[in-house]
Amino acid sequence: QLVESGGGLVQPGGSLRLSCAASGFTFSTYSMNWVRQAPGEGLEWLSYISSSSSTIYYADSVKGRFTISRDNAKNSLYLQMNSLRDEDTAVYYCARGPFAAFDIWGQGTMVTVSS
Amino acid sequence: QSALTQPPSASGSPGQSVTISCTGTSSDVGGYNYVSWYQQHPGKAPKLMIYEVSKRPSGVPDRFSGSKSGNTASLTVSGLQAEDEADYYCSSYAGSNRVFGTGTKVTVL
Repeated sequence: QLVESGGGLVQPGGSLRLSCAASGFTFSTYSMNWVRQAPGEGLEWLSYISSSSSTIYYADSVKGRFTISRDNAKNSLYLQMNSLRDEDTAVYYCARGPFAAFDIWGQGTMVTVSS
Repeated sequence: QSALTQPPSASGSPGQSVTISCTGTSSDVGGYNYVSWYQQHPGKAPKLMIYEVSKRPSGVPDRFSGSKSGNTASLTVSGLQAEDEADYYCSSYAGSNRVFGTGTKVTVL
């Protein structure tokens, strides 16, 4: 399973670091992603990281502001979010899988950007 | 990367079938056989229902099927049941991107 943490209320321009703890599978052999969903809106893919961290991709909406990383020794995935904007308010999910086939999702963590 | 286009809503009576379309471009849906479909109930995380256009993960009923023609993928739910009422999203691999559809709310009448 996947369990996200680190969400909360942050002011515009602020930073937040999300974590995703994996269990029940060999984390180090799977690529991982972050996906978000703004209130009442659809799903938006944000970022991908390969199993060895050798390949990383970002959506244009977060490129240069968000950084994905992982620690295979700790079975953990991270998302460092800087320069947060109102429109970054959303539930953030971590999800396992390559090629847009995300077979395991966390329960999500809410990030609210507001002054 | 623009979102894939889905109809906002679809509906059917119990036992009937409903088909949801997902239209992209040759850079995503049409370019790869990596289209997935997700079911999301209110307040819950999405659940993978179809991957690689037409494959079902273990545990997903065979009432759910997927297909693709050109730049458009489709999800068909046969034998509609009350628990199928949910939001459905397609997604596609697009090289260095992954893109989701706009979402379709399926109502069981």
